[in-house]
Amino acid sequence: QKEVEQNSGPLSVPEGAIASLNCTYSDRGSQSFFWYRQYSGKSPELIMSIYSNGDKEDGRFTAQLNKASQYVSLLIRDSQPSDSATYLCAVKMDSSYKLIFGSGTRLLVRP
Amino acid sequence: EAGVTQFPSHSVIEKGQTVTLRCDPISGHDNLYWYRRVMGKEIKFLLHFVKESKQDESGMPNNRFLAERTGGTYSTLKVQPAELEDSGVYFCASSPRTGASNYGYTFGSGTRLTVV
Repeated sequence: QKEVEQNSGPLSVPEGAIASLNCTYSDRGSQSFFWYRQYSGKSPELIMSIYSNGDKEDGRFTAQLNKASQYVSLLIRDSQPSDSATYLCAVKMDSSYKLIFGSGTRLLVRP
Repeated sequence: EAGVTQFPSHSVIEKGQTVTLRCDPISGHDNLYWYRRVMGKEIKFLLHFVKESKQDESGMPNNRFLAERTGGTYSTLKVQPAELEDSGVYFCASSPRTGASNYGYTFGSGTRLTVV
């Protein structure tokens, strides 16, 4: 079992729709959770971080965390073609600086 | 503020040769990390420096890989001798010292290494 699991996709949504990206993790000791966006050939870019159960909103992005279910998600409202990228979920234990990444979900937003 | 800079962006070398990758972190960032993504796999941790000291090198695949961070500024990652399975994208990232453990880092754009 992988430590961080993501559906590889591609997830295809029409422009203006809500894109929902999901991630599960295996280690209950995980304390910090991150979503990175990576355009092809570019560096991963941090877009959201979440540490407590519940929702965290930042503009069109909402991160959701459920530690009991070991599940973290990213919602992108009003999806734009420019949101087309690979979205990487990463988790971290409090005792470590090391990020554990999922393999990423490719999102395609159709104009 | 300049971001994390990596050099070269691409490198193609023959099996058995040596390659040195360089990373310049964001100025003032004490924490520097190396990660690697091989084809079809997830990004994996290699090691972590705090200033010039190796804090965690548990992800280094074997003794053909040597990372240094002299003076606590830029870092180099040397692969000697390179093998075919070393091909992939090598990312460097950095983060500030204070409260860094709860923050995601800033990544560089990576070095794409191809061993032929």
